[in-house]
Amino acid sequence: KAGVTQTPRYLIKTRGQQVTLSCSPISGHRSVSWYQQTPGQGLQFLFEYFSETQRNKGNFPGRFSGRQFSNSRSEMNVSTLELGDSALYLCASSLASGYGGMAGELFFGEGSRLTVL
Amino acid sequence: GQQVMQIPQYQHVQEGEDFTTYCNSSTTLSNIQWYKQRPGGHPVFLIQLVKSGEVKKQKRLTFQFGEAKKNSSLHITATQTTDVGTYFCAGSGGQGNLIFGKGTKLSVKP
Repeated sequence: KAGVTQTPRYLIKTRGQQVTLSCSPISGHRSVSWYQQTPGQGLQFLFEYFSETQRNKGNFPGRFSGRQFSNSRSEMNVSTLELGDSALYLCASSLASGYGGMAGELFFGEGSRLTVL
Repeated sequence: GQQVMQIPQYQHVQEGEDFTTYCNSSTTLSNIQWYKQRPGGHPVFLIQLVKSGEVKKQKRLTFQFGEAKKNSSLHITATQTTDVGTYFCAGSGGQGNLIFGKGTKLSVKP
């Protein structure tokens, strides 16, 4: 069974540009979550999608957005990039629906490492 | 909003010594999960705790969930060099999403 696939793995952008990252979850998983990982802040929750609907959102500015397609693949977009957006962006898929407020086991991809110059 | 605090941030041990990392939440958790991230890798699921006071063991690893479901710990007995990495706790507070602690980075000196 293929794991979570994230593309691109590495990318370099300059301030003011925008970027789109892609995530293909494990087959059958309908929940996709995105996290930003930086050395000082650990894993910070961006948003979670389930069946094409954004179900939860973290405390990030509106420059960060995402969507999920009918095949469960997800994309996240960051507009007007800032230096502080340099980070590893991790996508994770889950089989569980979060019923009763209980998150299921997350399966992470290798991440997309974004460098903003 | 919900916060999950994890201590210590770093831990350096001699191989064979024990290691413990602690996790505290500002709110009652529905469940708590633990992940390990090896250097250069991505987080990998270790275990999930759901019940108040639950204790689970995986070989040299012991996981506990507090009675109030607000704290948890991971204890490793007799660390080995293969235990190197960052250990994260992650709590689910009722919205169905996981909030991660900042992790404890473990280094093991052979």
